[in-house]
Amino acid sequence: DVKVTQSSRYLVKRTGEKVFLECVQDMDHENMFWYRQDPGLGLRLIYFSYDVKMKEKGDIPEGYSVSREKKERFSLILESASTNQTSMYLCASRPSGTTYEQYFGPGTRLTVT
Amino acid sequence: SQQGEEDPQALSIQEGENATMNCSYKTSINNLQWYRQNSGRGLVHLILIRSNEREKHSGRLRVTLDTSKKSSSLLITASRAADTASYFCATGRGGSNYKLTFGKGTLLTVNP
Repeated sequence: DVKVTQSSRYLVKRTGEKVFLECVQDMDHENMFWYRQDPGLGLRLIYFSYDVKMKEKGDIPEGYSVSREKKERFSLILESASTNQTSMYLCASRPSGTTYEQYFGPGTRLTVT
Repeated sequence: SQQGEEDPQALSIQEGENATMNCSYKTSINNLQWYRQNSGRGLVHLILIRSNEREKHSGRLRVTLDTSKKSSSLLITASRAADTASYFCATGRGGSNYKLTFGKGTLLTVNP
């Protein structure tokens, strides 16, 4: 079974803090994604990566950065957390080629106070 | 930008009834997927239908796709309380940088 794990289920941070959200997948997938999910807005793509050290902006990259130094790990970084970044963050992975299904982690619910 | 839009936003039925959820999208797609999310958890892939397919079945799930109307429907037959979850459609485009665009979801409640 594909397993995508996220470093924390719940996280509380203060405004202005630098926040790291970690995602690890164990199936050697080339593609990894970060989404945020908010009530009434569904899932929105923040960043994705299709290979080590490669990244592309999604629909809402402002205020976020990412790092992919190893194939299995994709990190989302909030340089200076703000209250409007309080959200559920979901990581997903997918192999390259014509397998289109994405495998999701359990999510990290981040609260910024 | 959000492309898929599910309808209805919420649906409440009794166990044993069928549940139908609809999804509309705006631009051309390679395929359309449906995902389920149990409360507070990650999403789980249910089924994928390609743009050249009209109908697909998987167990109690039936998905249809009408590319001329840019719409899809997900039917869950003989629903169970365990089917209670949010259901999302996601449209896929692109080649090597294939990405999904998710709708806002339908919250299905199946009452025992």
